[in-house]
Amino acid sequence: EVQLVQSGAEVKKPGESLRISCKVSGDSFTRCWISWVRQMPGKGLEWMARIDPGDSYTNYSPSFQGHVTISVDKSINTAYLQWSSLQASDTAMYYCARQGLVGTTENWLDPWGQGTLVTVSS
Amino acid sequence: QSVLTQPPSVSAAPGQKVAISCSGSSSNIGNSHVSWYQQLPGTAPKLLIYENNKRPSGIPDRFSGSKSGTSATLDITGLQTGDEADYYCGTWDSSLSAGVFGGGTKLTVL
Repeated sequence: EVQLVQSGAEVKKPGESLRISCKVSGDSFTRCWISWVRQMPGKGLEWMARIDPGDSYTNYSPSFQGHVTISVDKSINTAYLQWSSLQASDTAMYYCARQGLVGTTENWLDPWGQGTLVTVSS
Repeated sequence: QSVLTQPPSVSAAPGQKVAISCSGSSSNIGNSHVSWYQQLPGTAPKLLIYENNKRPSGIPDRFSGSKSGTSATLDITGLQTGDEADYYCGTWDSSLSAGVFGGGTKLTVL
């Protein structure tokens, strides 16, 4: 069974940097894209970006391009989402999920991580 | 505003059927498969339907999906109180080169 386990909740101040993680187990790490999804408090799902763990090729939503960076460390089967300068508006739950086999048109998200709550407050 | 359009809420009585619509355009639903997700309160989303109408293992056949042109529909029959959740459609947008979701639909089982 494939599992995605995310790092724990974070509380940060505006302007601080942050990196959260998503560890994949139960399958080849490089078979599927890893995507990140934001859910602001009381709001819907927003697709942020995805990465091919094999070669680190990325796609970003225009809404998030330039504000976050995604990466992977293949040696430890882990994907990352990072911010260089957090804003209060980054307060949200962040989910990672696998999104389809690399090299195919599969685009569904499954499975999902449990989520990482990021709170940015002065 | 979300790229895909869903009704904010739907409701029906236990045992009844409900349909949740998802409308898009030629750059997303029109040329990509649609998936549906169920998010129970306080939990991570879960895949319900993929490739328009396929169910992952463990998903009851009370849940079904369809797609026509630039719209998709999730049907839920034999409603149960445990189906109360938020439901999201999702797909890939070739113009944006990005994934997109609908705004979500809150299902209430009266």
